[in-house]
Amino acid sequence: EIVMTQSPATLSVSPGERATLSCRASQSVGSNLAWYQQKPGQAPRLLIYGASTRASGIPARFSASGSGTEFTLSISSLQSEDFAVYFCQQYDNWPPRYTFGQGTKLEIK
Amino acid sequence: EVQLVQSGAEVKKPGESLKISCRVSGYHLLNNWIAWVRQMPGKGLEWIGIIYPGDSDARYSPSFQGQVTMSVDKSIGTAYLEWSSLKASDTAMYYCARRELDSSGYHNWFDPWGQGTLVTVSS
Repeated sequence: EIVMTQSPATLSVSPGERATLSCRASQSVGSNLAWYQQKPGQAPRLLIYGASTRASGIPARFSASGSGTEFTLSISSLQSEDFAVYFCQQYDNWPPRYTFGQGTKLEIK
Repeated sequence: EVQLVQSGAEVKKPGESLKISCRVSGYHLLNNWIAWVRQMPGKGLEWIGIIYPGDSDARYSPSFQGQVTMSVDKSIGTAYLEWSSLKASDTAMYYCARRELDSSGYHNWFDPWGQGTLVTVSS
């Protein structure tokens, strides 16, 4: 079973600055990685799929990279609405299997 | 607009059964797999399983195999998650989500998500 590990658990950044979140897989997942954002009391929202492709409607300040076992989500010029919890997710196409990281809470510094 | 609308919050006692629902609109249920995800209070996301409405092919996470049952009713565009005997540890928010594929059919993701159903199991 693939284990996804996100770091740090909590990241404190000031508005307007850049945030960089990490996600590591216990074995190679290729580019089969997605990122989700979850705000308090809301369902998760898709940000990125295929490790680096922004989902429809996601602002350009969100970018992601990586392949294999190391992945990064970057948010440039943080806006107030970006402070949330971010989850990475690896996926296997067949049979379908999914594993989430434990999440990184991005908080206002 | 594609929407997944889940049934309302439930409060149950240990040992009771429960079936929660996820009604889709804005697209045909048969076109996409439907996933279920658990979020325990203050915790992260856990994949429960995924079901293909076309033939009810259901795949479960090993952690949830035998603990829950997924099903669909194609006639009313609704997916279900069911417990036969609830435990206090089943207390959580449960989300359904549509699985989408990119044009290559290789990459997939969950979007959109339902609003969640809060299940509370307490004596």
